[in-house]
Amino acid sequence: AQSVTQLGSHVSVSEGALVLLRCNYSSSVPPYLFWYVQYPNQGLQLLLKYTTGATLVKGINGFEAEFKKSETSFHLTKPSAHMSDAAEYFCAVSYSGSARQLTFGSGTQLTVLP
Amino acid sequence: DAMVIQNPRYQVTQFGKPVTLSCSQTLNHNVMYWYQQKSSQAPKLLFHYYDKDFNNEADTPDNFQSRRPNTSFCFLDIRSPGLGDAAMYLCATSRDNLGGQGRSQPQHFGDGTRLSIL
Repeated sequence: AQSVTQLGSHVSVSEGALVLLRCNYSSSVPPYLFWYVQYPNQGLQLLLKYTTGATLVKGINGFEAEFKKSETSFHLTKPSAHMSDAAEYFCAVSYSGSARQLTFGSGTQLTVLP
Repeated sequence: DAMVIQNPRYQVTQFGKPVTLSCSQTLNHNVMYWYQQKSSQAPKLLFHYYDKDFNNEADTPDNFQSRRPNTSFCFLDIRSPGLGDAAMYLCATSRDNLGGQGRSQPQHFGDGTRLSIL
């Protein structure tokens, strides 16, 4: 069974500081990886996705993530946090490539301190 | 803009009184999903429609039903809501097919309906 682990249910950073949200997956086959963001009382919005090809993926709002097969990781980063980045972030994985077989991590709540 | 629309955004119902949540999409996606999300938790898949085929998750209570009258609309029916059913309900869509063209396609979410039970 596929699974994804997000280390740290809560992360706090100062405005302007580096954002690093961790995601590790378990896999015996190449995964398809996604990061979603959820603002309060809203649905999930796709930030970025990794399918094949370049391992450094750029997404919206200045976020990027790097697929590291040797570490089975897909950590999300942003060089400089903004107050508007405060939200819940979910990593998700699909091993078949089908969106119907998507497994979510437990989420990381990002707080940005002024 | 093509999108997934959920109505209403907030729904209040009484304990045991049936309630229906609706979802519509203009993306022309063939798969529609319903998720339940409780506070500070990941979304939990209840079921999905692949075209007209209904796919129920093994642990989804019988109290939850769904209808998809056409490609654009999907409904979530809760027959006898209990206090534990208070949650955010999210609808999502994706394009997927057995030919593999749906590979790596993400799910697209609506803004959800927050259900409260009195």
